Amino acid sequence: GQNIDQPTEMTATEGAIVQINCTYQTSGFNGLFWYQQHAGEAPTFLSYNVLDGLEEKGRFSSFLSRSKGYSYLLLKELQMKDSASYLCAVRDGDYKLSFGAGTTVTVRA
Amino acid sequence: IAGITQAPTSQILAAGRRMTLRCTQDMRHNAMYWYRQDLGLGLRLIHYSNTAGTTGKGEVPDGYSVSRANTDDFPLTLASAVPSQTSVYFCASSDSDSGGNEQFFGPGTRLTVL
Repeated sequence: GQNIDQPTEMTATEGAIVQINCTYQTSGFNGLFWYQQHAGEAPTFLSYNVLDGLEEKGRFSSFLSRSKGYSYLLLKELQMKDSASYLCAVRDGDYKLSFGAGTTVTVRA
Repeated sequence: IAGITQAPTSQILAAGRRMTLRCTQDMRHNAMYWYRQDLGLGLRLIHYSNTAGTTGKGEVPDGYSVSRANTDDFPLTLASAVPSQTSVYFCASSDSDSGGNEQFFGPGTRLTVL
C-alpha cells in the first residue's frame, strides 16, 4: 500500500511563491502525479514525474527525489485563480494511483 | 459527448436501496476507475478496469460492484446503500497504464444516503 503525506492547508499572497511538499512510502513506484481541484469540481492533471529532478511547466514546477520518497509542487506568481486543493498521487507497481488527502491553498490579495 | 460524463449529478437515496452510478467516456481509453472522495481522506479507489471485460478491486471495494461490457461505459452499483456510502464519486479514465498518461476525471456524482 501507499502512505502519502502533504500539508492540509497553506495560505499565500497574490504574486508570491508557494511550495507544497509531499512525502510517500510505497510498495512499488511508477511515477508521481500532481492534480489541481477547485471546490466542487473534478481534479485536473498538472504534472508527472518518474525520474529524479525538476519538471517545469509555465508557472508550475514539480520536483521528485525517489531515494527520499519526496516531491514538491512549486507555484510561482500566484494568482487568485490558483486557490484550490492540490493532490499528490503516487502510481504503484500495479499502475494504480493512491492519493494524498490534498493541500488547500488560499491565495489572498 | 466530449470527454467523460457521469450521471446523475447528485442523488439522495434511502438506506437499503439499490443505485447505479453511470460513467461514459468517448476518448476510447482502455482503463477506467471509480473513486470516492471524503473530507480529510482524499480520493480512494473503489474498483478499476484495465480493459473491456476485466475489472479489479481497489482500496475500498466492499458494498460496490462494477461491470465493463464495452470500452465506453463503466457503471458502479451499490446493491444496498448504507449511510457510510455518502460521498462524492468520481469516475476517471486513462489511455494506458504505462508512461505518463494521466487520468481524466468526470464531473462527479454527489450521493447522500439517509
